[in-house]
Amino acid sequence: NFMLTQPHSVSDSPGKTVTISCTRSSGSIASNYVQWYQQRPGSSPTTVIYEDSQRPSGVPDRFSGSIDTSSNSASLTISGLKTEDAADYYCQSYDGSNPCVFGGGTKLTVL
Amino acid sequence: EVQLVESGGGLVQPGRSLRLSCAASGFTFDDYAMHWVRQAPGKGLEWVSGINWNSGSIAYAESVEGRFTISRDNAKNSLYLQMNSLRAEDTAFYYCAKDISWRDWLRGVDYWGQGTLVTVSS
Repeated sequence: NFMLTQPHSVSDSPGKTVTISCTRSSGSIASNYVQWYQQRPGSSPTTVIYEDSQRPSGVPDRFSGSIDTSSNSASLTISGLKTEDAADYYCQSYDGSNPCVFGGGTKLTVL
Repeated sequence: EVQLVESGGGLVQPGRSLRLSCAASGFTFDDYAMHWVRQAPGKGLEWVSGINWNSGSIAYAESVEGRFTISRDNAKNSLYLQMNSLRAEDTAFYYCAKDISWRDWLRGVDYWGQGTLVTVSS
């Protein structure tokens, strides 16, 4: 089984750019797509990035996703931070033996 | 518009059973795999189970294997989770979720339901 490790929390000010990392413990990050989910307090999750870097319709282009094979990690970058971006963010991936693995989640605070 | 509406949650005693349902609309239900994902209060997301588009492939998390059964009725656009031998640690919001990929195995989620709360307590 592999694990996805995220920082427990990140924070920055409105208008800034923040990046949340997601490191895969074994197996290549490039072998299977990575998704990112946003969960605001009291709400169910929503999908902000799928298949590493694709944005669902309705998600602003301030949200972007990427992978880095050198660090075996995926990243979610949010530019032009807004107070409404404050939420928990989860990465997720899979492989042949593990149909769905979530990271532990990162709490984003917009100061 | 894709809609996933869960029902069936509630308070149940340890060792008892509960059946969750998810009514799907706004997409061709029998073209997509489906997931159940849960979240204990104040905790992160935990994948519970998944089923492919024609019920030919099913998978469970180790924590529920042998106690929970996932199923679907494509004629009714519905997903189910039969939960037996419930434990206190099964207390969580349970989310129904649609998989991203058309007629493929589980990859990830693009739509989520609003969740239904299951509380296991005596």
